[in-house]
Amino acid sequence: AQTVTQSQPEMSVQEAETVTLSCTYDTSENNYYLFWYKQPPSRQMILVIRQEAYKQQNATENRFSVNFQKAAKSFSLKISDSQLGDTAMYFCAFMKHVRGNEKLTFGTGTRLTIIP
Amino acid sequence: GAVVSQHPSRVICKSGTSVKIECRSLDFQATTMFWYRQFPKQSLMLMATSNEGSKATYEQGVEKDKFLINHASLTLSTLTVTSAHPEDSSFYICSARFGPGNTIYFGEGSWLTVV
Repeated sequence: AQTVTQSQPEMSVQEAETVTLSCTYDTSENNYYLFWYKQPPSRQMILVIRQEAYKQQNATENRFSVNFQKAAKSFSLKISDSQLGDTAMYFCAFMKHVRGNEKLTFGTGTRLTIIP
Repeated sequence: GAVVSQHPSRVICKSGTSVKIECRSLDFQATTMFWYRQFPKQSLMLMATSNEGSKATYEQGVEKDKFLINHASLTLSTLTVTSAHPEDSSFYICSARFGPGNTIYFGEGSWLTVV
């Protein structure tokens, strides 16, 4: 079974600063996907970024980037130039690379607050 | 725009009654959808995998007879909470894979309150 660990229950950072959210996971799989989802107060789950395990290059999406360390089973999210709208719960998630079995295993989440 | 839609977004029902939540894939076919439950201030826990045209696969500890899942078409899965009790009050959210990149999209979620 897969497990996902987010060791930071809460974080806060000043607007415009950079913040890094940690995520580690445990799996015996070699092919898999990793995701970061954002859940604002509306509770809508919004995909922030995803990484395919077979790709060595770290994924980036505008202000969001990841540091994927496969050997260490680490998948941290960096948010640059943080904005007030980034305030939300952030969940790290793991998915096996099995078609038709796209169920996600989530971490416990990190509540991020951007301070004006 | 949204690719997965859920309805209703909020529902209140009386204890002992049943309530149905719909999850629709918009403009794409989803042979598999997933139902999650989220308690306040907690993470999402997978309840079951909804398979089009066949029985759902439930996670350990989830009561099949209480949480009925039907995936009658390639764009619709429904979750029916039967004989609801206050402890069933929660946020329920569905997901489906969309696109060639195995990206998972979520519905807007449904708040269920059993009184």
